[in-house]
Amino acid sequence: DTVMTQSPDSLAVSLGERATINCKSSQSVLYRSNNKNYLAWYQQKPGQPPKLLIYWASIRESGVPERFSGGGSGTDFTLTINSLQAEDVAVYYCLQYFDAPRTFGQGTKLEIK
Amino acid sequence: QVQLVQSGPELKSPGASLKVSCKASGYNFSAHGFNWVRQAPGQGLEWMGWISTYNGDTYLAQKFRGRVSLTTETSTTTASMELRSLRSDDTAIYYCARDYGNGYNWFDTWGQGTLVSVSS
Repeated sequence: DTVMTQSPDSLAVSLGERATINCKSSQSVLYRSNNKNYLAWYQQKPGQPPKLLIYWASIRESGVPERFSGGGSGTDFTLTINSLQAEDVAVYYCLQYFDAPRTFGQGTKLEIK
Repeated sequence: QVQLVQSGPELKSPGASLKVSCKASGYNFSAHGFNWVRQAPGQGLEWMGWISTYNGDTYLAQKFRGRVSLTTETSTTTASMELRSLRSDDTAIYYCARDYGNGYNWFDTWGQGTLVSVSS
């Protein structure tokens, strides 16, 4: 199975500052024939289901604010939240859909400093 | 709009079986597979398995094989997950999540979740 490891486990950032969450996969999730990274990011607020933010590692889902961006390739990925807002407090998960079983990172809890 | 509405909360005894349904609306049901994901209290997300609405193919995570069945019914646009031989550590919120397509894709829409408690 592909193991997804996020860092840090928790993060406190001041309002208006940048938050960066890392996700590392135990094997590459880059499919060379189409040059796509099979990696998505989700946001989960308390009492709610996860919400899709990013797919193909860097494509923002429709309706997601531009301050959310994804990057990386192969085995190392980042989710960056610029100009942190109060409503961004949540747990963030990465997901690899390169192979089965699909696997999630353990989650990163983002709080306001 | 695309919507997935799951069945209500369940309280089960150890050893019992559970069936959670996921009613889809707002899109072509046969164009998107379903994933099932669970989340134990205070824990992260655990993928359980996937089913294709195109041909009924399924893939289950190793730990659920033999205990989980996934089905879909096109006439009612409903996906279902059955979990047998329940244990206390099956206590969790169970989510259905739409696959972007019918293969190796991200999950673009989630149901609201079904809380399942297993206790004697």
